[in-house]
Amino acid sequence: GAGVSQSPSNKVTEKGKDVELRCDPISGHTALYWYRQSLGQGLEFLIYFQGNSAPDKSGLPSDRFSAERTGGSVSTLTIQRTQQEDSAVYLCASSLPNSYEQYFGPGTRLTVT
Amino acid sequence: AQKVTQAQTEISVVEKEDVTLDCVYETRDTTYYLFWYKQPPSGELVFLIRRNSFDEQNEISGRYSWNFQKSTSSFNFTITASQVVDSAVYFCALSEPNFGNEKLTFGTGTRLTIIP
Repeated sequence: GAGVSQSPSNKVTEKGKDVELRCDPISGHTALYWYRQSLGQGLEFLIYFQGNSAPDKSGLPSDRFSAERTGGSVSTLTIQRTQQEDSAVYLCASSLPNSYEQYFGPGTRLTVT
Repeated sequence: AQKVTQAQTEISVVEKEDVTLDCVYETRDTTYYLFWYKQPPSGELVFLIRRNSFDEQNEISGRYSWNFQKSTSSFNFTITASQVVDSAVYFCALSEPNFGNEKLTFGTGTRLTIIP
């Protein structure tokens, strides 16, 4: 079956521009997570969505980062006024309700020049 | 605060050798879960195992085995008779579930290279 998909796979942007990263979770997976994988920082949690509950935004590094999840399915991570330190691979994962097993997408590699 | 430490940044072994990847964690909670994920060159993280804090039994799955020792806060991963396909970055992770929120705290990963 279809796994978690993310688009674009690669994104190069100029410093100061806004970017949007998209995640399509596995159908039926109500939990959705965003993580960031960068050199020197490893993998870090950004935000968590579960159904209609308020998201856990505790991992967002600054107010330039925001995320939405429309209709309990597709999620968009937006980074405003990108900085070079935002360069990283952004990973999305989804899981069934109350399931520990997160299924990860292939990631979006963001490069800020 | 939670923390996961993987002190081994890179390991190289010759094919068919056994190799152990170390993981040490810190948490204040009594209920927590430990994970290992594999990230092959393709980039997608693949779930390998999850253990809860109340189950210290070692687990074996084929060539993979895991040793959970609460007394030393360690959750080590051993691959026996390594194969080239085992080459990947391996991440140890910790979660403290909160009403279904299983956000993971990852270690920095160990890059394992199996030399044919």
